[in-house]
Amino acid sequence: NAGVTQTPKFQVLKTGQSMTLQCAQDMNHNSMYWYRQDPGMGLRLIYYSASEGTTDKGEVPNGYNVSRLNKREFSLRLESAAPSQTSVYFCASTGVFEKLFFGSGTQLSVL
Amino acid sequence: DQQVKQNSPSLSVQEGRISILNCDYTNSMFDYFLWYKKYPAEGPTFLISISSIKDKNEDGRFTVFLNKSAKHLSLHIVPSQPGDSAVYFCAASERTGTASKLTFGTGTRLQVTL
Repeated sequence: NAGVTQTPKFQVLKTGQSMTLQCAQDMNHNSMYWYRQDPGMGLRLIYYSASEGTTDKGEVPNGYNVSRLNKREFSLRLESAAPSQTSVYFCASTGVFEKLFFGSGTQLSVL
Repeated sequence: DQQVKQNSPSLSVQEGRISILNCDYTNSMFDYFLWYKKYPAEGPTFLISISSIKDKNEDGRFTVFLNKSAKHLSLHIVPSQPGDSAVYFCAASERTGTASKLTFGTGTRLQVTL
């Protein structure tokens, strides 16, 4: 009963390096989301995918790209990491509006 | 501009008493509201929700109240238990086509003491 699985759980990058955060869900959900959580800022939406084949920008998309690889998988890519992207990243999915199921998060540090 | 605000970063309540967590919003287009609970090193989990056509929704020890005219909602936990100690996020939904974009508040850390 995995739900939403994110990898890796922890990552340290140097400024300018690139990486991809992976997310997969096994609940047959149509919509998937990437959020970041920063102290005092709550969770902010980076990108979302309403259904397979579509992606849209959220509140803070700059510096990120996404790929909805298939119905199960939604990846987030940082092409050139910056210290401002140090954060905890959460992937989520939903089949019914609003009731998002979240992964356990990826803690990313950019030095 | 913060569209969903939780003005109390933290709250401490004795076990058995009522916990009241508050949330204010500014966007009148929001039509669905939710509370999520988050433990350390875990993702948020859905707790309870309310549609804008209602003013109250109850689920066991948890009740959410919505005052649309004041753009205010609150979460009541009665009685509070030590396991309720967590960060609580208020969220508001604006539906766009076939997806929901949730806007979250900054969270309130609840500590339930013995």
